[in-house]
Amino acid sequence: AQSVTQLGSHVSVSEGALVLLRCNYSSSVPPYLFWYVQYPNQGLQLLLKYTTGATLVKGINGFEAEFKKSETSFHLTKPSAHMSDAAEYFCAVSLTGTASKLTFGTGTRLQVTL
Amino acid sequence: EAGVAQSPRYKIIEKRQSVAFWCNPISGHATLYWYQQILGQGPKLLIQFQNNGVVDDSQLPKDRFSAERLKGVDSTLKIQPAKLEDSAVYLCASSLGTGQFRVNTEAFFGQGTRLTVV
Repeated sequence: AQSVTQLGSHVSVSEGALVLLRCNYSSSVPPYLFWYVQYPNQGLQLLLKYTTGATLVKGINGFEAEFKKSETSFHLTKPSAHMSDAAEYFCAVSLTGTASKLTFGTGTRLQVTL
Repeated sequence: EAGVAQSPRYKIIEKRQSVAFWCNPISGHATLYWYQQILGQGPKLLIQFQNNGVVDDSQLPKDRFSAERLKGVDSTLKIQPAKLEDSAVYLCASSLGTGQFRVNTEAFFGQGTRLTVV
């Protein structure tokens, strides 16, 4: 069975600082991996996804993530945090590659301070 | 392009009552999903429709939950009777694709309906 673990339910960074949100997955077959963002009272928005090929994936709003098979990780990073990045971030895994078979992590709430 | 529309945005009901949620997907999207997001957890897929047929409802509590997608467009999700543990945000999502990953299967989410059962 597949699963996703997000380390840290809350992360706080200063504006301009590096953002690092951790995600580890468990899968018996090569997974497809996703990061979604959820702003308050909004639905989920896809930030980026890894399918095959290049392990460093660039997404919207300056975010990127690197698939590391040896570490079973897919951490999300952004070099410089902005106040508008404050939101909840979800890592998700799919075995079939379709958007429907997503298993989500429990989420990490990112707080950005001045 | 209009997004996924859901209504109502908020609903408060007493346990054992019934409730229904409505979803209008993005025009032309063949696939529609309902997710349940309990506070502090990630979304969990309840049911997936392909046009007006059910593709996956393995995690839908069928003794109290039902969903339909008449004419392959709008969808309703019903809970009857509601329990306290049904308090959650119910998210509807749609995607254009038919299941082949590299072809338009990104899911677009609505704002959700927040249900509180008291």
